[in-house]
Amino acid sequence: QSALTQPASVSGSPGQSITISCTGTSSDVGGHNYVSWYRQYPGKAPKLMIYDVTKRPSGVSNRFFGSKSGNTASLTISGLQAEDEADYYCSSYTSGSTSRVFGGGTKLTVL
Amino acid sequence: QVQLVQSGAEVKKPGASVKVSCKASGYIFSGSYIHWVRQAPGQGLEWMGWINPNSGDTNYAQKFQDWVTMTRDTSISTAYMELSRLGSDDTAVYYCARGQLFFDYWGQGTLVTVSS
Repeated sequence: QSALTQPASVSGSPGQSITISCTGTSSDVGGHNYVSWYRQYPGKAPKLMIYDVTKRPSGVSNRFFGSKSGNTASLTISGLQAEDEADYYCSSYTSGSTSRVFGGGTKLTVL
Repeated sequence: QVQLVQSGAEVKKPGASVKVSCKASGYIFSGSYIHWVRQAPGQGLEWMGWINPNSGDTNYAQKFQDWVTMTRDTSISTAYMELSRLGSDDTAVYYCARGQLFFDYWGQGTLVTVSS
């Protein structure tokens, strides 16, 4: 099972909005509403930011927004802040044997 | 509060095995799957498999099918991941994470270094 496809890097200035894409197939992203997003700071464990495509866990800022169209899911972060600079990973349930799959990760730089 | 606390860093020689533990607290251990995810230095996250602490059922990623074993001890709310026949490319941080369709709590990670 191949990893989901994410851009290697994105950047934006404070206050701007950015979107990170996550492209899979009909066996994973496109076939289920079980896409989740994680933020990871260097040397730290990942943190859940979005689950079930659009839902935010308690305590996660409403600046984080998840969506999906076809085989591509997206994470949009509005009102960029310096603390948003991190690596972001998408993940999906897959009906293939792998069962779960991650994207390759996207490094977000706040300029 | 929910916590997953993993065992400490390990250094192993090629061909050896390693067993990493993940002790859960703050919730009913048998009520949520435990997944194992690894991250090689400078690389992304890689899903390895899950164990259902209630039944002991496991599901491994195809890549790891022949050399990973996930177990649990419900009496001490602890899950284990054992990887055998270690090679240098198994050097990574290994995480346990709670959840079924997403991972809502993560352990702090265990660095496993494979070196002769």
